[in-house]
Order: sequence, then C-alpha cells, then structure tokens
Amino acid sequence: NAGVTQTPKFRILKIGQSMTLQCTQDMNHNYMYWYRQDPGMGLKLIYYSVGAGITDKGEVPNGYNVSRSTTEDFPLRLELAAPSQTSVYFCASSYPTGQGGQYFGPGTRLTVL
Amino acid sequence: GQQVMQIPQYQHVQEGEDFTTYCNSSTTLSNIQWYKQRPGGHPVFLIQLVKSGEVKKQKRLTFQFGEAKKNSSLHITATQTTDVGTYFCAGPRGATNKLIFGTGTLLAVQP
Repeated sequence: NAGVTQTPKFRILKIGQSMTLQCTQDMNHNYMYWYRQDPGMGLKLIYYSVGAGITDKGEVPNGYNVSRSTTEDFPLRLELAAPSQTSVYFCASSYPTGQGGQYFGPGTRLTVL
Repeated sequence: GQQVMQIPQYQHVQEGEDFTTYCNSSTTLSNIQWYKQRPGGHPVFLIQLVKSGEVKKQKRLTFQFGEAKKNSSLHITATQTTDVGTYFCAGPRGATNKLIFGTGTLLAVQP
C-alpha cells in the first residue's frame, strides 16, 4: 500500500495563478481532509469529505475549492493564488473518528510570490 | 470556540532525560489522538485514547487520558535523539469527524 500520496512536492506560483494539488489514498478510507500548516504552527483544516460526492468546509476554506468524485481522490484547487496561501499543504484520510487516526501524505510546499 | 492547548510549546532535554507534554481541551472529548511530526516531515498517528482515565504504553511512551476527558498527557522515558519532533494532540470538533489539533510541543534532544 502506498498510503496517501500527494503531488507536487514543491511548487512556486505567481500571484493570481491557479493550481490543483492532487491527493490519492489506497486504503479505502471514506474520510479525507486537507490541512495547511504555516511555519512553526499547527494544522488548520481547509476542507474535508466524508465520502464521494460529499464535501464540507473546515476552519479556513476561503480561496480554495475541492471535489470528491471517487473514494480515492480528493484534489484541492487554489484559484487566484495570494501570498497568504504560502504554506505546506497536507492531505489526510481516515476511517470515522473513534476507529483510529488520520493518515497523512508527505505534503506539498507551496510558495506564492 | 473549542480550543485545544498544549504546554510547553518547546522543551530542550539532554538525551536520557524524561519528557512530558500536556494537552488541555476547553470541552469534553469523545477521544484524544496523538501525532508526531519530525522536522520537515508529515504528522504520523501514534495512538488514540477513548476511555476516561485510560493509560496506554508504547515502549518508552506513556499516554494518559484524564478522568474528565478534557486533558491528556504524553510522557517519554529516557529520551533518545530519534524522539526529536513536534508532538500534537487532537480531538474531535464537537460531534463531527473533524479534528482540532493542539498547538504542539517541539521536543529537542541534545546528545
């Protein structure tokens, strides 16, 4: 099992550009999450999904969009990138809370200049 | 709103010393999870505690969940350089599957 994979590992964007961060898991988890982590800080939830076709906002959803067409994939879309979106982005997946923890991907380090 | 705080923010120990980080929630939690993040890495799930007063051990790591299910602790006995990293606790946000992560404790271990 590859677990949770994310691409790309690194990306530099110019202000106003758009991009999609890819996330795939092969553990057949229904629950998937996107977090951002600013330097020296904790994890903030951007969006999450409890299954294919179902998504919901987290703490910091502004400037981002998600879709969940399959159980395996949960891409995060950044529209009109801003310097405030410079961060490390982690995708995670899990069974329902109470049935173990979340499994994180290696992260995407994004810089917006 | 619901908050999860950890103390200390940072701890520097000599290799072989013990280490403890404390996690406090503003609300009662149905469960508490602990994660470790190595520098430059991603969070890795360590353990989940569910029962009031529960204590679990993983080799040199001991995890406790408070009787009121609002606090938790992680104790490392005889730290090693491989223990370096940030330790986060996390609990469910309300009755949802969303986690609220604690502020984290960064552990530095001097050989």
